[in-house]
Amino acid sequence: GAVVSQHPSRVICKSGTSVKIECRSLDFQATTMFWYRQFPKKSLMLMATSNEGSKATYEQGVEKDKFLINHASLTLSTLTVTSAHPEDSSFYICSASGRDWSSDEQYFGPGTRLTVT
Amino acid sequence: RKEVEQDPGPFNVPEGATVAFNCTYSNSASQSFFWYRQDCRKEPKLLMSVYSSGNEDGRFTAQLNRASQYISLLIRDSKLSDSATYLCVVNWPGGYNKLIFGAGTRLAVHP
Repeated sequence: GAVVSQHPSRVICKSGTSVKIECRSLDFQATTMFWYRQFPKKSLMLMATSNEGSKATYEQGVEKDKFLINHASLTLSTLTVTSAHPEDSSFYICSASGRDWSSDEQYFGPGTRLTVT
Repeated sequence: RKEVEQDPGPFNVPEGATVAFNCTYSNSASQSFFWYRQDCRKEPKLLMSVYSSGNEDGRFTAQLNRASQYISLLIRDSKLSDSATYLCVVNWPGGYNKLIFGAGTRLAVHP
């Protein structure tokens, strides 16, 4: 159980375009989903936390107008990178936490590698 | 002080060796602690939760010292397949109980 999928796994886009990444919990209802980014040889940095049906909470320094997050249902959250720039190239990973889970465990999607040219 | 600090390594050990990783965290209000494993260019996978009494899962033993705000992971009888980056993860109490990740300790097990 606790499977999280992410799509696409890899995307290359041109500067100025927008890219949408989907995160789905496949076998559980995810009340909370988290979006991280990871640069090479660095740790995961939390970008934002989203709860189903409410606005995302962004970490300090993360532009909410650039990284649009929508958590429309208990199994789906999307991250849209708007007007992408080469410095947005990174590994984006989502995670999900389930309803009624007693601990803070999060299960991660396989990640999306974004390259902006 | 960093929120979660780990020795970056790399730790290069032969098969069969015992290796220990250490981690310190800054928020004394943290209540949940985990070790995750991350393979190159893959997502982190939960290795084990860490409990106050210490816990063991096969060759892996995790310890927590709340007074010192210190967490450890011991791997016995290392296998080649243990080569990965080990991430120390601590919850940050607040609205959504977010997790804070250490930068990871890289382990390379060689024949």
